[in-house]
Amino acid sequence: NAGVMQNPRHLVRRRGQEARLRCSPMKGHSHVYWYRQLPEEGLKFMVYLQKENIIDESGMPKERFSAEFPKEGPSILRIQQVVRGDSAAYFCASSPLAGNTGELFFGEGSRLTVL
Amino acid sequence: AQRVTQPEKLLSVFKGAPVELKCNYSYSGSPELFWYVQYSRQRLQLLLRHISRESIKGFTADLNKGETSFHLKKPFAQEEDSAMYYCAPKGANFGNEKLTFGTGTRLTIIP
Repeated sequence: NAGVMQNPRHLVRRRGQEARLRCSPMKGHSHVYWYRQLPEEGLKFMVYLQKENIIDESGMPKERFSAEFPKEGPSILRIQQVVRGDSAAYFCASSPLAGNTGELFFGEGSRLTVL
Repeated sequence: AQRVTQPEKLLSVFKGAPVELKCNYSYSGSPELFWYVQYSRQRLQLLLRHISRESIKGFTADLNKGETSFHLKKPFAQEEDSAMYYCAPKGANFGNEKLTFGTGTRLTIIP
């Protein structure tokens, strides 16, 4: 089991461009979480998805950010019209079942730099 | 509001000395508490959870509901303990599954 895979590991965008971050959960996991880590700050929850459903998006900015987890394929975090403040590390985590032990399995993160 | 506080951003301890990483939380209901760790160049991973009442790599953490604390302790620090540590409560109510992470404490063990 390769673990949670995120790509790209590093992404550079100019202001106004779009950023797409992908996350493939561990095999057998149907729950995906996205977290953002700004420089010198902790991990901030963004969104929690199951296959084809958004369960909790309370941490997602209302504009420019969206997330999906289709029936087939990876989960995608999409940031439109990026701004410098979007520069951060974005971490994806997965879990096998809601209400389980609570352990999340993390990817290595995608570092977005906005020029 | 759900909140978790790790008051120390940085903590340096000599090898062999006791370690205590502080965590206080403000959470509705009865949350489950976790400690996660990130070693250099590795992924964030679970260290221990309060419901297991286990000792992992010599670390223990006791949930004190009166003080709403979940401090992480180890009696004798080892160099390999140097890492970033995050305290993370999780709502125990069905449907409230996300973990809320503290800002983390970077622990450095001095040889």
